[in-house]
Amino acid sequence: AQSVTQPDIHITVSEGASLELRCNYSYGATPYLFWYVQSPGQGLQLLLKYFSGDTLVQGIKGFEAEFKRSQSSFNLRKPSVHWSDAAEYFCAVGTGYGGATNKLIFGTGTLLAVQP
Amino acid sequence: NAGVTQTPKFRILKIGQSMTLQCTQDMNHNYMYWYRQDPGMGLKLIYYSVGAGITDKGEVPNGYNVSRSTTEDFPLRLELAAPSQTSVYFCASSTLSGENGYTFGSGTRLTVV
Repeated sequence: AQSVTQPDIHITVSEGASLELRCNYSYGATPYLFWYVQSPGQGLQLLLKYFSGDTLVQGIKGFEAEFKRSQSSFNLRKPSVHWSDAAEYFCAVGTGYGGATNKLIFGTGTLLAVQP
Repeated sequence: NAGVTQTPKFRILKIGQSMTLQCTQDMNHNYMYWYRQDPGMGLKLIYYSVGAGITDKGEVPNGYNVSRSTTEDFPLRLELAAPSQTSVYFCASSTLSGENGYTFGSGTRLTVV
């Protein structure tokens, strides 16, 4: 069955430090992968997506993610974290029939805290 | 452009009561979804729809019903509220290709007491 695992429930980094959030997926075919961010009391916003092609994808707010098929991973990175990046981050894989970008399965999320 | 609009934002129900969570989108998206979010559990798909008149169950459909009479609207019905339905509910929509991911509403926080 398809699944997404985010091993880190909570991460704290200092402002200006680099960030890597881990995501592992289980899916039988070529996955369609997404990262979303959720600020407190808000809905989720798309950060970036991977469909095919270049395995390093760029997103909004200075984030990037790298797809590694051999490791079934899609880790999110940012070289220098800002206090405004404090939020919860969700990895997701698309599983829909006829359009695997639809019907997303989400991981359990990683809550990012940023220390001044 | 409003995107996805959910109402109400907050609601407290008593056990056994019924209610409808409203969701409407103005982007002419084919796909619409209902998820529930519980702490530490991520988002779980309740129901989804691929177009007007077509709905299907997701991972956790028990205790809920949906309808999709128009492209714009996708209400979620709770018939007999139970404490286990205390959660934050998100509606989302996407295009047929899904290439831009989901557009989410801002959520409905429901408490059943």
